This record gives sequence, structure tokens and C-alpha cells, in this order.
Amino acid sequence: NAGVTQTPKFRILKIGQSMTLQCTQDMNHNYMYWYRQDPGMGLKLIYYSVGAGITDKGEVPNGYNVSRSTTEDFPLRLELAAPSQTSVYFCASSSSGPGEQYFGPGTRLTVT
Amino acid sequence: QKEVEQNSGPLSVPEGAIASLNCTYSDRGSQSFFWYRQYSGKSPELIMSIYSNGDKEDGRFTAQLNKASQYVSLLIRDSQPSDSATYLCAVIGGAQKLVFGQGTRLTINP
Repeated sequence: NAGVTQTPKFRILKIGQSMTLQCTQDMNHNYMYWYRQDPGMGLKLIYYSVGAGITDKGEVPNGYNVSRSTTEDFPLRLELAAPSQTSVYFCASSSSGPGEQYFGPGTRLTVT
Repeated sequence: QKEVEQNSGPLSVPEGAIASLNCTYSDRGSQSFFWYRQYSGKSPELIMSIYSNGDKEDGRFTAQLNKASQYVSLLIRDSQPSDSATYLCAVIGGAQKLVFGQGTRLTINP
């Protein structure tokens, strides 16, 4: 099992550009999450999904969009990138609710 | 008031000693509590979960929960340099969400 995989590992975007962060899990988990982590801070929930076709906003959803067409994939779309979106982004999944999550390796995004 | 609060540290502990990490939470109705460990530049990994008042032991790790006082703690016995990491306390909030504290950075000195 690869677990949770994320691509790319690093990315530099110019202000106003768009991109999609990919997240795939091979554990057949229903629950999937996107977080951002700023330096010295905890994790902030951006969006989450409790199953294919179902998504909902977290604490900091502005500037982001998600879709969940399959159990395995949960891409995060950034439209019109802004410097405030410079962060490390983590995708996570769980089988039975939000507590015991498995995290991907993260994507380090810089917007300049 | 933040939902989950931790002292950001750094907390410095000599090798072989007990490291004690604390966390308080604001939602009195919370029922499920977790400790994640995050090495520098890596992703978080779950190390302990606790659901009932009292202590839960797993190897060198002990999680303690006191719902009346709304705090959770993590004790690491016989601390090793490999325990140096940031420890994130997390609590299940409403609607299937995990709320994280900002983390406590722990350094074990040889």
C-alpha cells in the first residue's frame, strides 16, 4: 500500500495563477481532508469529504475548491493564487471518522 | 478563546527524563482526543488516542484525560533524542472535523 500520496512535492506559483494539488489514497477510506499548515502553526482544515460526491467546507475554504468523484481521489484547486496561500498543504484520509487520520507527505507551495 | 490550546515551547528535556506535554480544549462536549507527532519537514502521524477519563499507556507513552478540567496531557517516559518533534493535540469538534492545537516543540538533549 502506498497510503496517501500527494503531487507535486513543491511548487512556485505567480500571483493570479491557478493549480490543482493532487491527493490519492489506496486504503479505500471514505473520509478525506485537506489542511494547510503555516510556519509554527497547527493544521487548519480547508475542505473535507465523507464519501464520493460529498464535500464540505472547513475552517479556511476561501480561495480553494475541491471535488470528490471517486473514493480514491480528492484534488484541491487553487484559483487566482495569492501570497496568503503560501503554505504547506497536507491531504489526509481516515476509515471511520475524523480522529485517526493518515497523512500524505505534503506539498510546499510558494506564491510570489 | 482558541478551541485547542498548547504551549508552543520549545520544551527542552534531558535524555532519559519524562517529557510532559499539555493541552486544554474549550468544547466541554468533546469526547475524543488525539496526539499526533510531527518531525521537522514531515507529515503528522497519530501516536495516541484517548476517549475516557484517566490514563492510557502505550509503551513509553501515556495519555491522560480529565474532562472535568478540560485538559489532555501526553507523558513520554525515558525520553530519547528520536522523540524530538512537534506534538499536536487534536480534538474532534462538530461535524466530523478534527481541530488541532498549534503544537508543542519538544527537544530531547543527549
